[in-house]
Amino acid sequence: AQSVTQLGSHVSVSEGALVLLRCNYSSSVPPYLFWYVQYPNQGLQLLLKYTSAATLVKGINGFEAEFKKSETSFHLTKPSAHMSDAAEYFCAVSDSWGKLQFGAGTQVVVTP
Amino acid sequence: EAQVTQNPRYLITVTGKKLTVTCSQNMNHEYMSWYRQDPGLGLRQIYYSMNVEVTDKGDVPEGYKVSRKEKRNFPLILESPSPNQTSLYFCASSLTRAYQETQYFGPGTRLLVL
Repeated sequence: AQSVTQLGSHVSVSEGALVLLRCNYSSSVPPYLFWYVQYPNQGLQLLLKYTSAATLVKGINGFEAEFKKSETSFHLTKPSAHMSDAAEYFCAVSDSWGKLQFGAGTQVVVTP
Repeated sequence: EAQVTQNPRYLITVTGKKLTVTCSQNMNHEYMSWYRQDPGLGLRQIYYSMNVEVTDKGDVPEGYKVSRKEKRNFPLILESPSPNQTSLYFCASSLTRAYQETQYFGPGTRLLVL
């Protein structure tokens, strides 16, 4: 069965600093991995997804993630944080039937 | 505008009083699902539907019912709500259930059961 672990339930970054959110997965088959973002009082929206085409995946709003099979990781990064990046971020893995398994989420706080 | 809508957005009720949360999508998606979001647990799937009249249990189906009579609508029914169903609920849809499909989420319904 697939599962996802997000390291760190809360991350605080300074505006302009690197954002790094960690995600490790467990999967018995080649995984399909997603990062979703949830802004306050809104639903989740897709940031990016990995579907085996390329290991470095670029998403919206300057985010990107790198799939590392040897480390079973799919960490999300953004070189320079903006105040508007304050949100909760979820890593998710899809099984071969399309069911999404979500991590517990990481709340990002951006300080001036 | 392509979207998933949910109503109501906020709901306070009492134990045992039946309620329905509606979900509608205008993207002609086949696959729809309901999730609940609880702190520290992420999102957990309650029920899903692969098409009209086809529904199945997710990870946490106890205490919930669903129906899919039309492609666009997928209501969530709590026939006898209990306080442990206090949560934030999301409806989502995707074109199909294929593993690479992006799911589109509604804005959420925050439910408090007293």
